[in-house]
Amino acid sequence: EAEVAQSPRYKITEKSQAVAFWCDPISGHATLYWYRQILGQGPELLVQFQDESVVDDSQLPKDRFSAERLKGVDSTLKIQPAELGDSAMYLCASSLSGTGGYPTEAFFGQGTRLTVV
Amino acid sequence: DAKTTQPNSMESNEEEPVHLPCNHSTISGTDYIHWYRQLPSQGPEYVIHGLTSNVNNRMASLAIAEDRKSSTLILHRATLRDAAVYYCILRDPQGFGNEKLTFGTGTRLTIIP
Repeated sequence: EAEVAQSPRYKITEKSQAVAFWCDPISGHATLYWYRQILGQGPELLVQFQDESVVDDSQLPKDRFSAERLKGVDSTLKIQPAELGDSAMYLCASSLSGTGGYPTEAFFGQGTRLTVV
Repeated sequence: DAKTTQPNSMESNEEEPVHLPCNHSTISGTDYIHWYRQLPSQGPEYVIHGLTSNVNNRMASLAIAEDRKSSTLILHRATLRDAAVYYCILRDPQGFGNEKLTFGTGTRLTIIP
């Protein structure tokens, strides 16, 4: 069964260092989402791509976070410099693009657990 | 975005049915009602969705009120593996990758053996 792949699963980094997460969506899925989930809260959308274009990055802290999906397939989320408050689970999801007014199911990866020390 | 309201937590006995409520009084005519759940230490997974009519699949049933201002996710026979946080989400099918998927705090379901 096709899955959304994320790496690494766990990352410990010191504050002020740079960190990057990678996501490989399900083949053929044009829509890709990055979420951040703080312990005890629901996932918060950081950025949404349609193919290689950003559809929504209104909640992305652009002074330190960046995301790219250069060929419209896999994606990288970067934090530089990392802060203590960035400790969270970072989740990637993908879906087929909705057509005909029908929203499609999103598939999530297992996430990357980031700890900033 | 239209918002949903869910109880913070619920408990249910194993092998009994579970009814998880969701209020969405500001739902628009084009919003679909989606349910996702998140098992411990995993990413969310899709459960079910509907627009106006009740829906059934292998995981659950979705009962939608006639005025669409509330819905109920029904797990017919809860098992310990159903212990998770359940999210009720409204999605506007704008198409072409523009559909939002906005999570609230969800309902934490505990299954009692």
